[in-house]
Amino acid sequence: EVRLVESGGDLVQPGGSLRLSCAASGFRCSDYDIHWIRQSEGKGLEWLSDFATGGETYYSDSVQGRFSVSRDNAKNVLYLQMNSLRDGDTAMYYCARVSSNAFEIWGQGTMVTVSS
Amino acid sequence: QSVLTQPPSVSAAPGQKVTISCSGSSSNIGNNYVSWYQHLPGSAPKLLIHDNNKRPSGIPDRFSGSKSGTSATLGITGLQTGDEADYYCAAWDSSLRVVLFGGGTKLTVL
Repeated sequence: EVRLVESGGDLVQPGGSLRLSCAASGFRCSDYDIHWIRQSEGKGLEWLSDFATGGETYYSDSVQGRFSVSRDNAKNVLYLQMNSLRDGDTAMYYCARVSSNAFEIWGQGTMVTVSS
Repeated sequence: QSVLTQPPSVSAAPGQKVTISCSGSSSNIGNNYVSWYQHLPGSAPKLLIHDNNKRPSGIPDRFSGSKSGTSATLGITGLQTGDEADYYCAAWDSSLRVVLFGGGTKLTVL
């Protein structure tokens, strides 16, 4: 079965760091562009980043310089390293696989809460 | 970064038809594919339409997509109470080099 499973969400203080994982099963994550997307309470979906098959990375302005993505091909896992976390980063974080120019497969999400 | 523009809410009676618009610009909708997602509370978003007007396997033909110029539309016919959800459009923006989502439209089936 093709699946994505996020993990690593937690309660963290402002200014802190957290690393989220996105584990792929049923396919090789290196064969697809995989993106990170979040949704804050009461708000819409917000695109964050893209880790392309060729290793290129793209980020939204809101996380550029604070978040970074990486991939472990051997473990078939994608990571989102989040630094300098702010209250506004509190959200449900999803990873999603791109196919046919769309987010075809989504994980169930992992919750990040930034609060003192 | 700007988002694609969707109406905040739409509503219709069971069995009726509704359309949800998504307005953008030449750098996103005008020259790139549009996709649509259904998001139910507590669940992951679900892909409804890709490549402007194509349905993934398993998506009923009650859902349709179209694009004209810098706008796109999601249509839902034969509305069911289970269709109540938030709906989002998305497109790559070639100038900003980011994916843009619409602000989301809450569908109420009266």
